[in-house]
This record gives sequence, structure tokens and C-alpha cells, in this order.
Amino acid sequence: QKEVEQNSGPLSVPEGAIASLNCTYSDRGSQSFFWYRQYSGKSPELIMFIYSNGDKEDGRFTAQLNKASQYVSLLIRDSQPSDSATYLCAVIMFSGGYNKLIFGAGTRLAVHP
Amino acid sequence: ETGVTQTPRHLVMGMTNKKSLKCEQHLGHNAMYWYKQSAKKPLELMFVYSLEERVENNSVPSRFSPECPNSSHLFLHLHTLQPEDSALYLCASSQAWNTEAFFGQGTRLTVV
Repeated sequence: QKEVEQNSGPLSVPEGAIASLNCTYSDRGSQSFFWYRQYSGKSPELIMFIYSNGDKEDGRFTAQLNKASQYVSLLIRDSQPSDSATYLCAVIMFSGGYNKLIFGAGTRLAVHP
Repeated sequence: ETGVTQTPRHLVMGMTNKKSLKCEQHLGHNAMYWYKQSAKKPLELMFVYSLEERVENNSVPSRFSPECPNSSHLFLHLHTLQPEDSALYLCASSQAWNTEAFFGQGTRLTVV
């Protein structure tokens, strides 16, 4: 089982719609969760972090965490073409005596006008 | 100055060459990381340094050799690489083990 799983996509949504990106993780003890955005040819950029169950909103972005289901999601409201990128889910896991920031393979989002 | 700076941005090297990647962070963080990103694969954690001490090797081949002379600088020394080592190498830093990491722009490495 992969440690952090995401659908590779592409997820295609029309401009103005809500994009929903999902992520599951294997370590039930994980406490810290992050969403990064990566444009083609660029490095990952942090857009959200969430530590507690429930929703966390920041502008057009909402992160949702359900630790019981080991599931974290990112909603992007009023999607814009500039949101087209790969979205990486990252989870801090304790392994081998250390915390590690482990990434999923990413979901490619395409927002079309 | 950006938070995490990597040089060079692009590197082409032969399999017999020796080169080094450099990373510098201006965020006052105490942990630094090297990640490898190959096409269509997840980011792979290669090395972690905390307070200048290496705490993670992650079974990386010995042709990759990290060095962390102080909390602001991190190097990745490369020698006798293989074409499959061609990838984007990303440096990141964080304040503590359980906080978010910030990435540099990356070095696009091509081994010929």
C-alpha cells in the first residue's frame, strides 16, 4: 500500500466550478497534512495545511480532514484557469525513528474556460 | 532574497563527472531536505538534516553524497551518476519536524 495516495487525473473542471481533490494516507498516527501546488517546471508551493479534523478555509481553498477515515481533501471554489497545476498531498509520518514529509504522486487539475 | 535558493538551476553532466548542487535557506529553519522528483513519480525523500546532523539516508546510492556545513547550507555531491538519475532535485527546509516545508526552485539534472 502506498503511503499517500492520490488519483493522478487529469481532473478537468470548467471555469467557475468547484474542484475537489482527494488524498488517503496509510499511517493512522499522522497528525500534520499539507497541500502543495506545483506548476509545470516549477517547484512545489505550499497552499494549505491542516492539523485538526474538520474543515479549514483560506480564500477559495478549503482543506478537509477526516482522521478516522485517513482522508484529506482540498476544495477549490470558483476555479480559474490559473489554478491549472498538479496538486500534491503531503503527510508527516513517523517512520524509522523520525518524522518524514511524504508526498503523494499528485493530481493534475485542468480548468478550462 | 527568496527563502530557499538552489544553484545551479540546470545541470548537464557526463557519467564520469563530479558536480555539486547547492542549497541555501534564509528562513532561520533548522531542518533541510533533499528530494528527487522523476517524471510521473512521487517526490522521493533522499536525505534529511536536522541541526546539521543527518538523520535520514533512505537507501540512496552512494554516488549521492550530502553535506550540511551549517544550518543554512546544504550540498549534494554527485559522482559517477547514471542516466536514470536524471531528474529534478529539490531542496526544502522547515522549522521543525512536524511543520510545513518550503522548497527551492530545484535543479534540473540531466546525465548523459
